[in-house]
Amino acid sequence: DVVMTQSPLSLPVTLGQPASISCRSSQSLVYSDGNTYLNWLQQRPGQSPRRLIYKVSKRDSGVPDRFSGSGSGTDFTLKISRVEAEDVGVYYCMQGTHWPLTFGGGTKVEIK
Amino acid sequence: QITLKESGPTLVKPTQTLTLTCTFSGFSLSTSGVGVAWIRQPPGKALEWLALIYWNDDKRYSPSLKSRLTITKDTSKNQVVLTMTNMDPVDTATYYCAHNKFDYWGQGTLVTVSS
Repeated sequence: DVVMTQSPLSLPVTLGQPASISCRSSQSLVYSDGNTYLNWLQQRPGQSPRRLIYKVSKRDSGVPDRFSGSGSGTDFTLKISRVEAEDVGVYYCMQGTHWPLTFGGGTKVEIK
Repeated sequence: QITLKESGPTLVKPTQTLTLTCTFSGFSLSTSGVGVAWIRQPPGKALEWLALIYWNDDKRYSPSLKSRLTITKDTSKNQVVLTMTNMDPVDTATYYCAHNKFDYWGQGTLVTVSS
């Protein structure tokens, strides 16, 4: 199985400040079609997960542009340019390149 | 507008079989490339992918749970059913279904395994 390792586990952030979450995979996530199937999901308290980013850097409709994804191969990053109160929650990376599909352990973003 | 909703028992006893239904709208499981996945999340823990079924009846399972899982679809009813046998208290979790792109998720259903 592809292991997805996120860091940090917890991320206290001051409102208006940037935040960055790292996700590393144990194998390259480049698929045979040339695409890299790496998603970022946000799970606000008490809610279902919501996809923010797909294929490393493509933002879903309705996702604020303060969220951005980057990376390649085995190293990926989710950045929030200026954290807002509504960004509190747990963020997960997940890979869709290899079976079985796997998720990272999550990063909890909280306000200082 | 795509929606998914999970239904099933909230409480099952150890060793029993769990049957969950995902009823969806806004897409068809007869469309090429479309699938429905099941994911679970124990209280306070991370997400875990369980199974996925595609429009062509291709089925994928988590290797660690494969012997206990069965996923089926009823295209005419817009439903996907997941069964999990030999339930144990460690299987207590919120169970979600999602579109195979993970862009749409159900609200989840909490299943508790207890005698």
